[in-house]
Amino acid sequence: KNEVEQSPQNLTAQEGEFITINCSYSVGISALHWLQQHPGGGIVSLFMLSSGKKKHGRLIATINIQEKHSSLHITASHPRDSAVYICAATSQGAQKLVFGQGTRLTINP
Amino acid sequence: DTAVSQTPKYLVTQMGNDKSIKCEQNLGHDTMYWYKQDSKKFLKIMFSYNNKELIINETVPNRFSPKSPDKAHLNLHINSLELGDSAVYFCASSRPSGSQETQYFGPGTRLLVL
Repeated sequence: KNEVEQSPQNLTAQEGEFITINCSYSVGISALHWLQQHPGGGIVSLFMLSSGKKKHGRLIATINIQEKHSSLHITASHPRDSAVYICAATSQGAQKLVFGQGTRLTINP
Repeated sequence: DTAVSQTPKYLVTQMGNDKSIKCEQNLGHDTMYWYKQDSKKFLKIMFSYNNKELIINETVPNRFSPKSPDKAHLNLHINSLELGDSAVYFCASSRPSGSQETQYFGPGTRLLVL
């Protein structure tokens, strides 16, 4: 079993819908990252958080350290949000990222 | 003024050949990484360097040899290429204490071994 698990693996929604992608991890972490991989292949870091909640535009990331769970939310989704969203955790004391398998999000107009 | 750049973007080569992928960052970061993304889009760390010193070396065949001539560059040399080496290779960089620092990714190098 992977140390970082995401769900769902694939998600298709209509424009405007509220989107939630979940990430669970089994190790103690020092930070949790959310990344976005565009259809063209480039990877962009969206959030890095170790507690609480962060917001950037229509994107919100939350983390519950006790439950070892993080969520990425997208409000008022748009077709340009279509991408693969990847959760990654940094184990305590380590400097490497351990990745989830990604969630492929498709937003239809 | 790309932050993290990789060359080449695409690499098609025959089995058994030796090839190199170059990575450069102009962010002033001390830590650089190589990741491999397989056909199922799963990313995995290969190597990490901090200020030209190897700090992470995952279970990677020793046909893969990273080289960091200075802290702005981390190149990946692959000897005796095999079919299973076909993947997308991403370089990334961050400030030190990389565990709590945002990583900046290069555009990726698509390697196809025939």
